[in-house]
Amino acid sequence: NAGVTQTPKFRVLKTGQSMTLLCAQDMNHEYMYWYRQDPGMGLRLIHYSVGEGTTAKGEVPDGYNVSRLKKQNFLLGLESAAPSQTSVYFCASSYGGNNQPQHFGDGTRLSIL
Amino acid sequence: AQSVTQPDIHITVSEGASLELRCNYSYGATPYLFWYVQSPGQGLQLLLKYFSGDTLVQGIKGFEAEFKRSQSSFNLRKPSVHWSDAAEYFCAVGLYNFNKFYFGSGTKLNVKP
Repeated sequence: NAGVTQTPKFRVLKTGQSMTLLCAQDMNHEYMYWYRQDPGMGLRLIHYSVGEGTTAKGEVPDGYNVSRLKKQNFLLGLESAAPSQTSVYFCASSYGGNNQPQHFGDGTRLSIL
Repeated sequence: AQSVTQPDIHITVSEGASLELRCNYSYGATPYLFWYVQSPGQGLQLLLKYFSGDTLVQGIKGFEAEFKRSQSSFNLRKPSVHWSDAAEYFCAVGLYNFNKFYFGSGTKLNVKP
């Protein structure tokens, strides 16, 4: 059982480039989330989805877009990468709601030069 | 402002010693409460959760946590720490009727042999 899988695991971009991070879950979870983790700041929610075809903004959505075309996949896009977006990105999924524990992927380490 | 506070950034304990990691939250109602652990290069793994009922909850790996409403706290404890417990620990809250989690900034645990 793979759980939550994130690709790629590492990536280096130049300022202004675009890219898409992929998250896939095989647990038939309705809810999916994208977080960024920065030293001393814990995890901050970027965007989330409560079901296929739906997305919503989290705490720090600027500079990111997301899509949930299939239930099992949640894509995070960086439109024009900036050094401030250097971070570790985590995807998570859950059955639904904030009383359900979230299951996390192993993260994508992204550096913007 | 609503927040989750983990006042200790780093904690070092000797192997075999007891451990308590602090977590305080500031929300109007009792939220759903979670503790997660993150090993280097890994995603977050759920240790335990509190929704209601008995205020002392047991988790995996010998951890427990106690919810104290009067102190708005949800501290994590372990009677005897093992070297493999060295990791970063995050407290998280889920608000009733909202689809979001809020994470504390984390406490990094070092274990001395």
